[in-house]
Amino acid sequence: AQSVTQLDSHVSVSEGTPVLLRCNYSSSYSPSLFWYVQHPNKGLQLLLKYTSAATLVKGINGFEAEFKKSETSFHLTKPSAHMSDAAEYFCVVRTGTASKLTFGTGTRLQVTL
Amino acid sequence: NAGVTQTPKFRILKIGQSMTLQCTQDMNHNYMYWYRQDPGMGLKLIYYSVGAGITDKGEVPNGYNVSRSTTEDFPLRLELAAPSQTSVYFCACAMGGSNTGELFFGEGSRLTVL
Repeated sequence: AQSVTQLDSHVSVSEGTPVLLRCNYSSSYSPSLFWYVQHPNKGLQLLLKYTSAATLVKGINGFEAEFKKSETSFHLTKPSAHMSDAAEYFCVVRTGTASKLTFGTGTRLQVTL
Repeated sequence: NAGVTQTPKFRILKIGQSMTLQCTQDMNHNYMYWYRQDPGMGLKLIYYSVGAGITDKGEVPNGYNVSRSTTEDFPLRLELAAPSQTSVYFCACAMGGSNTGELFFGEGSRLTVL
């Protein structure tokens, strides 16, 4: 069975400092992995996706993630946090057919002045 | 384009009541999904559909029913509401085929069962 584990439930950074949101995956074969973002009282939006092409994936709003098979990780990073990045971030793996997705438990990113 | 539209946005139910959460999409996507989101639990798949007339259970289908008579609409029915169904419900759609994985979500329906 495929799954993802988000290692931090809450991350707080200062505006202008780097962001690191950690995600480990478990899969018996090469997975399709995603990061989704949810702003308060909103639906989820795709941030970026990895589907076995380049291991470094660039997404929207300056975010990127690197697929590391040796570490079974897919961590999300951004060089410089902005106040508008405050949101909940979900690491997600596609499971089976029909685009069914399995979500991690989420990491709430807080950005302070 | 409105994308994915869910109604109602908020609803309070009494135990044992029934209701339908409506979801409609104007993206002409074949795949549609219902998820529920509970605090600290991520999203759990309730039901999904790969096209009109076809539905299938997800991870947590008990207490719910769905139908898919058209490409656009995918209503979620709650029969005999229970406090455990208090949650935020999200409808989503996807194109399907080789471009799978990107889901487009509605803004959610917050349901409280008292």
